[in-house]
Amino acid sequence: QVTLKESGPALVKPTQTLTLTCTFSGFSLSSDGMRVSWIRQPPGKALEWLARIDWDDDHFYSTSLRTRLTISKDTSRNQVVLTMTDMGPLDTATYYCARTGAAGGAYYFDFWGQGTLVTVSS
Amino acid sequence: SSELTQDPAVSVALGQTVRITCQGDSLRSYYPSWYQQKPGQAPVLVFYGKNYRPSGIPDRFSGSTSGSTASLTITGAQAEDEADYYCNSRDSFTNHHVVFGGGTKLTVL
Repeated sequence: QVTLKESGPALVKPTQTLTLTCTFSGFSLSSDGMRVSWIRQPPGKALEWLARIDWDDDHFYSTSLRTRLTISKDTSRNQVVLTMTDMGPLDTATYYCARTGAAGGAYYFDFWGQGTLVTVSS
Repeated sequence: SSELTQDPAVSVALGQTVRITCQGDSLRSYYPSWYQQKPGQAPVLVFYGKNYRPSGIPDRFSGSTSGSTASLTITGAQAEDEADYYCNSRDSFTNHHVVFGGGTKLTVL
């Protein structure tokens, strides 16, 4: 079955760089049509899409955060890594990785990790 | 980028039908996806595309789109359906990006 799990620091200081790893199983990111996205959710607020990487190494970033984000994949280890630079208090959120599919022109997130809460505080 | 608007809160009597809506220009071009999120849990995909329901999702969940408005309908709402619901679609400006709605808190009375 498909599973994803996020890992990374629970606490980062302002201006630091956050590195999160998504380790997944049940599918291969080298297979046609496979994609993995990162999504975050500040406490009590809505979901926000951050970035996506595709099987062919195409990658896409949220327009508002593109200068701070880098997404990469290690197909052999079944991992996707997201880095976010210059962290600030507004980046405090639960960060999710999710397998991403496409059907009829729609993108959807069919499997999610449990999420990891990242708090930005000095 | 595109925006998706949802009503912040909706309520429904147990066993009745409720429609949760999502509005945005991107819905004229792309079908939405819908997610259910219960407190402390990750979102769960409940409906996507023109007419797809993931395995394990009860058939009381259905979706439709008309113009710039998409709807998730729960026919015969159950107590366990009380949750936050989010829509998302592709961004019609940037094509490969994704936008989420602000979420709707569903209360089952």
